[in-house]
Amino acid sequence: QQPVQSPQAVILREGEDAVINCSSSKALYSVHWYRQKHGEAPVFLMILLKGGEQKGHEKISASFNEKKQQSSLYLTASQLSYSGTYFCGTEMDSNYQLIWGAGTKLIIKP
Amino acid sequence: DTEVTQTPKHLVMGMTNKKSLKCEQHMGHRAMYWYKQKAKKPPELMFVYSYEKLSINESVPSRFSPECPNSSLLNLHLHALQPEDSALYLCASSQANGGLIYEQYFGPGTRLTVT
Repeated sequence: QQPVQSPQAVILREGEDAVINCSSSKALYSVHWYRQKHGEAPVFLMILLKGGEQKGHEKISASFNEKKQQSSLYLTASQLSYSGTYFCGTEMDSNYQLIWGAGTKLIIKP
Repeated sequence: DTEVTQTPKHLVMGMTNKKSLKCEQHMGHRAMYWYKQKAKKPPELMFVYSYEKLSINESVPSRFSPECPNSSLLNLHLHALQPEDSALYLCASSQANGGLIYEQYFGPGTRLTVT
């Protein structure tokens, strides 16, 4: 079951903040976040494993709610380099299968 | 070395051709993946190898045939493809531990066009 990502697209000015959500109808083993720039391969951002977990990566952080059904990615003081498509990947069983959300396209304007 | 390499970068093939895509990593990862990605879509899992054994085959047509000759190499053999198979084919690798997924490192991909 594909996780639901929202919004589908976001346009920001440099320095503004954004939140991208990823939700599932069932409890998840983990949530993974990746960013893919146009014409490039996806690049790993972070993994969240525990309910209530929060993780940070410079000005990009993420949370995983207590029920382990929703994760949010927070981008603060956005930079031009943050542009790209953000995907969440969800793991429901320990079988090496990551199910990817449809993606959120983030455009940062100067 | 955190690099996954893929060859070729671009491939154009006819529907009757046989070709192979290659992927290599030297990070000691024991899980390797093939994904197919269409424009503006997320990567779609095709195959997963863990410890050189096929773990997942997501009901992929038999015209795609994976091979894992050793822990560093992954091949995807292509035969009698259809135009709708045109896509970016991504290889990835990660640590492997009881089915859990760790950080995946992706190669740059092979852009495949079937004519």
